Amino acid sequence: KQEVTQIPAALSVPEGENLVLNCSFTDSAIYNLQWFRQDPGKGLTSLLLIQSSQREQTSGRLNASLDKSSGRSTLYIAASQPGDSATYLCAAQGGMKTSYDKVIFGPGTSLSVIP
Amino acid sequence: DAGVIQSPRHEVTEMGQEVTLRCKPISGHDYLFWYRQTMMRGLELLIYFNNNVPIDDSGMPEDRFSAKMPNASFSTLKIQPSEPRDSAVYFCASSHRVGGANVLTFGAGSRLTVL
Repeated sequence: KQEVTQIPAALSVPEGENLVLNCSFTDSAIYNLQWFRQDPGKGLTSLLLIQSSQREQTSGRLNASLDKSSGRSTLYIAASQPGDSATYLCAAQGGMKTSYDKVIFGPGTSLSVIP
Repeated sequence: DAGVIQSPRHEVTEMGQEVTLRCKPISGHDYLFWYRQTMMRGLELLIYFNNNVPIDDSGMPEDRFSAKMPNASFSTLKIQPSEPRDSAVYFCASSHRVGGANVLTFGAGSRLTVL
């Protein structure tokens, strides 16, 4: 059974700082790894998707990396802004013992960027 | 495109009552996922459909929960009878495969409170 964890559970940083969010998954035979953002009281918005054959993806100030062999992914946010304050969740699709289309989420990291 | 539409947005009911949550996926998406989000357990996958057929319902907590997808544009999640521990935000997400990846689009969620 695929399990996804995220560290830290919460993070508070001053505006302008670069930061890294971590995601780990137990079944490394995933098809892809996705990062989502969730604002309070809202649904989830997809940020980045990394296919299993890829090492990283970039979108603006966001860069996500994937190391399947170690079961880890990181989301790097450069020059953080107050508008980046939200909960960030990673999600793994598939696995050796998981249905191919199944998408399992981690618990999220709550980020607060202080002006 | 109006996105994934969920109703009701908020539901307050008393223990023992039947609750029906509704979801309209994005037209053309052939996957539909139901998730439940709580502070304690995070975002849990309850069930997902492919082409209106339930593929994996292993996350459905117990027999009080049931889900249907009678056609490509509508799905329901029913709880009967409801209990206070069912209080959570229930999300519906639809997707289509892009290069094999399930790119999920989430609805705004239905917040359920069972008294």
